Amino acid sequence: DVKVTQSSRYLVKRTGEKVFLECVQDMDHENMFWYRQDPGLGLRLIYFSYDVKMKEKGDIPEGYSVSREKKERFSLILESASTNQTSMYLCASSSRNPTGAIIYEQYFGPGTRLTVT
Amino acid sequence: KNQVEQSPQSLIILEGKNCTLQCNYTVSPFSNLRWYKQDTGRGPVSLTIMTFSENTKSNGRYTATLDADTKQSSLHITASQLSDSASYICVVSEASKLTFGTGTRLQVTL
Repeated sequence: DVKVTQSSRYLVKRTGEKVFLECVQDMDHENMFWYRQDPGLGLRLIYFSYDVKMKEKGDIPEGYSVSREKKERFSLILESASTNQTSMYLCASSSRNPTGAIIYEQYFGPGTRLTVT
Repeated sequence: KNQVEQSPQSLIILEGKNCTLQCNYTVSPFSNLRWYKQDTGRGPVSLTIMTFSENTKSNGRYTATLDADTKQSSLHITASQLSDSASYICVVSEASKLTFGTGTRLQVTL
């Protein structure tokens, strides 16, 4: 079974702190993603990566950065946390579809509930 | 703007009953449509994925249908169980981009 793990289930940080959220997958997937999920808004893509050291902005990258130094690990960084970044953060991974589509089955981690006070 | 709209927003049914959740989308071009189940406080788990050439797909008591002409999909749950209580999210894919619906919150009660 594919396993995607996230470093923390719950996290409480203060405004202005630097926050690291870690995600690890064990299926040798090329693609990794970071989303945030807020009530009534659905999942929104923050950043994604198609390969080691590659990153692409998603729909809401402002206030976030990412790092992918190893294939299995994708980190989300909040340089200076703000209260509007209080949210559920979900990491996902997927392999490339043999037919060519970049995204096929996505596997999600359990999520990190981040509260910024 | 590509959108995915789900209805109803929430639903309460008795254990053992059937229910149907709806998903309408405007995403174009269309690659595939997925249904995910998300338990409270957990990450989404895939139930079905359908390409434009498939009009029905089953996974146990879950059956998804797709009408690519009208851009509508439904998820039918048969003989509901308490463990079906969750949010159900419809996701529509272009080649490299996913658009997520906001989900239907289902509660199954005794």
